[in-house]
Amino acid sequence: QVTLKESGPGILQPSQTLSLTCTFSGFSLSTYGMGVGWIRQPSGKGLEWLANIWWDDDKYYNPSLKNRLTISKDTSNNQAFLKITNVDTADTATYYCARIEPGSFDYWGQGVMVTVSS
Amino acid sequence: DIQMTQSPASLSASLEEIVTITCQASQDIGNWLAWYQQKPGKSPQLLIHSATSLADGIPSRFSGSRSGTQYSLKISRLQVEDTGIYYCLQRYSNPWTFGGGTKLELK
Repeated sequence: QVTLKESGPGILQPSQTLSLTCTFSGFSLSTYGMGVGWIRQPSGKGLEWLANIWWDDDKYYNPSLKNRLTISKDTSNNQAFLKITNVDTADTATYYCARIEPGSFDYWGQGVMVTVSS
Repeated sequence: DIQMTQSPASLSASLEEIVTITCQASQDIGNWLAWYQQKPGKSPQLLIHSATSLADGIPSRFSGSRSGTQYSLKISRLQVEDTGIYYCLQRYSNPWTFGGGTKLELK
């Protein structure tokens, strides 16, 4: 059974760094072809893809967030991570992680709400 | 970036009605398209991947098709549980991009 769960700080202040963790089970990020992605959704708005990391440690980022994103993984502990630097109120959203297989995001976490506020 | 233009933005339909939602890609994306359903307060659920392949556990009343760079999601007989917001996603090239969403309600 595939499950993913996101965790994060809940609330943080502008200019801080947002650190998110995706803890998953039921698959391995060391398996050929497997990937994990991060997607966010501001309240009442649509979905925005942020970044993907693959079994071979290839990483891809949404250029709209310029160089603020860093994605990484810990294969041994079945976790993936996303850091967003220099956050502001526009980064307030629900953040999801999702498995990539066979051709898209097939399993999603429940999401974690992040609020950026001074 | 590849733009995914989704239409309509909202849709009201009756039970058992046939419903069609479309996504127009700004360039060729092959079959690298997926459809998702999202219910309030829940994470999106995969319905269709690779443009036409039904995801595991999804009812057969859902189907996907492609005509050139236009992709369609069809619900053959609308049920109460089909209400929600539908999104398309292209994964042909980075950045992956979602359509703007279609809110489907019961009439």
